Amino acid sequence: NAGVTQTPKFRVLKTGQSMTLLCAQDMNHEYMYWYRQDPGMGLRLIHYSVGEGTTAKGEVPDGYNVSRLKKQNFLLGLESAAPSQTSVYFCASSQTGFDTEAFFGQGTRLTVV
Amino acid sequence: KQEVTQIPAALSVPEGENLVLNCSFTDSAIYNLQWFRQDPGKGLTSLLLIQSSQREQTSGRLNASLDKSSGRSTLYIAASQPGDSATYLCAVRLYNFNKFYFGSGTKLNVKP
Repeated sequence: NAGVTQTPKFRVLKTGQSMTLLCAQDMNHEYMYWYRQDPGMGLRLIHYSVGEGTTAKGEVPDGYNVSRLKKQNFLLGLESAAPSQTSVYFCASSQTGFDTEAFFGQGTRLTVV
Repeated sequence: KQEVTQIPAALSVPEGENLVLNCSFTDSAIYNLQWFRQDPGKGLTSLLLIQSSQREQTSGRLNASLDKSSGRSTLYIAASQPGDSATYLCAVRLYNFNKFYFGSGTKLNVKP
């Protein structure tokens, strides 16, 4: 029972480099989310998706792009990494409904130098 | 915009104490509220989910309550243990918005 899996778990980038973070869920959830977690700031929503082929901006979308070509996958891209994007990134998924909870991946620790 | 606040930011208690963690939110039109636990360097583990129509949920030594009208939720931990040491986060999900808003968490340390 994999749940939500994030790849990679750790990464160091140089300023200006690009990379893609992959999130995969095996629960057939409609909704998927990307958050970043920074000390003292809690989790902030970057982008989210309410279904295959759809994406929407969250609170802090600048510098990131996303795609949801397949229902089970949600990709987060950094086109030109900046030190301000050093953070821990979490992916989550959920179904709709009052009694549905969010499930989180183990996180990706990204350092931009 | 929904604001979620958790008080206190940190808490240190001796083993065996009963304790209460607080979560407040500004928009009462919530879908549900979820409590999570996060261990250092790890992801978030769901503890309890309270639907908007519910008043409380219980799981083992944990009890979470919800008062939508006042914009508050509490997480009660009975007979705390060192293994409960972690950061506890609450998140609310709004009607008409398929997003979760998080508090900054309460870092709990239970001393043996």
